[in-house]
Amino acid sequence: EPEVTQTPSHQVTQMGQEVILRCVPISNHLYFYWYRQILGQKVEFLVSFYNNEISEKSEIFDDQFSVERPDGSNFTLKIRSTKLEDSAMYFCASNKGAPQYFGPGTRLTVL
Amino acid sequence: GDSVTQMEGPVTLSEEAFLTINCTYTATGYPSLFWYVQYPGEGLQLLLKATKADDKGSNKGFEATYRKETTSFHLEKGSVQVSDSAVYFCALSDTGGFKTIFGAGTRLFVKA
Repeated sequence: EPEVTQTPSHQVTQMGQEVILRCVPISNHLYFYWYRQILGQKVEFLVSFYNNEISEKSEIFDDQFSVERPDGSNFTLKIRSTKLEDSAMYFCASNKGAPQYFGPGTRLTVL
Repeated sequence: GDSVTQMEGPVTLSEEAFLTINCTYTATGYPSLFWYVQYPGEGLQLLLKATKADDKGSNKGFEATYRKETTSFHLEKGSVQVSDSAVYFCALSDTGGFKTIFGAGTRLFVKA
């Protein structure tokens, strides 16, 4: 069964550094998403992406965040200057309609 | 805006006990409803879904029925196992599935 994959599984970075989280959505899906889960808390929507542009974003997704689909398979989330409070699990998801299929997540630790 | 409320945990049960995790939602339109499960150290797995009123989703012995009149989607299992220990998230998405809104999650511990 096709799966959403994410790399790396764990990223450790220093505060102020840029990070790029990578995702490979399911190949025939058209809609792509990033979600965040701070440890022990609920899963929060960050952004949705369709037809090479952002279709919706939450208030969490400020100017420090950006998304890109650089080629036909990858979907990336960039955080320009990481803060301590960016430490969380980041999930990528994709779909054609309901439901969304989630990747295994990237745990980001900002020191 | 749309929202999901689920019972707070943790829920601690003995093996073979009956499980209910309550979930209610607020939404405009006709959302699809889901239960996702997160095992320790892992990602989110879709457990079951229901896309319209009175639908029953089921998987691995878990069931939930989409109740429009009570705006609920309670998760049940007749006999839990230790391996069911995980965090369970109730969630909804709009008709097109363009964004999923999650409840806070309920942690389940099952003791042998």
